[in-house]
Amino acid sequence: GQQLNQSPQSMFIQEGEDVSMNCTSSSIFNTWLWYKQDPGEGPVLLIALYKAGELTSNGRLTAQFGITRKDSFLNISASIPSDVGIYFCAGQQHLVRRGGATNKLIFGTGTLLAVQP
Amino acid sequence: DSGVTQTPKHLITATGQRVTLRCSPRSGDLSVYWYQQSLDQGLQFLIQYYNGEERAKGNILERFSAQQFPDLHSELNLSSLELGDSALYFCASSPGTSGDSYEQYFGPGTRLTVT
Repeated sequence: GQQLNQSPQSMFIQEGEDVSMNCTSSSIFNTWLWYKQDPGEGPVLLIALYKAGELTSNGRLTAQFGITRKDSFLNISASIPSDVGIYFCAGQQHLVRRGGATNKLIFGTGTLLAVQP
Repeated sequence: DSGVTQTPKHLITATGQRVTLRCSPRSGDLSVYWYQQSLDQGLQFLIQYYNGEERAKGNILERFSAQQFPDLHSELNLSSLELGDSALYFCASSPGTSGDSYEQYFGPGTRLTVT
């Protein structure tokens, strides 16, 4: 199946440090979404980006939609222990077909974040 | 809490059997998406329904099928199960598919174990 390239694969940091992760694709997307997933739980939506170049914040999280529409990055500032989890990017192509449109998500490979108190 | 509910939380069954996974979307959401998450393939799109109609298919096996009912809940049917079907199955919902793109909200998932 198709997956987007997400890096780094894992990060082990100290509490209070800033974190950066990014996602790249060979395809253009209309929307970029960032999710966090805890073990055994469903992905939780963190940030949605709808325009190329858009920079959006949600508390300590900041994400940007790349100008080429083929990449996105997520920054977490001043990390805390509850930031631990797996972060996924997801690209969305809004495709209009006969019978209607579709908005399926293509997910990145994930970044495992561990924060040491 | 995303507002998307899925049942059951866990399912253990034997090879060759058939199971049904159920999803209720967020109130007012017309689109339902099913995704499979496995260690080797990551999160993969399976199928999308909008207001009762199939809209898109992804990497869904022929042994798998889905439907969306008039009350907008959806069921994913998995038959002739194989060991490799063991995975987490997620349902997501969003308001619609026409016009702008929409955010998708995920349920807690069903963990399927095939023995």
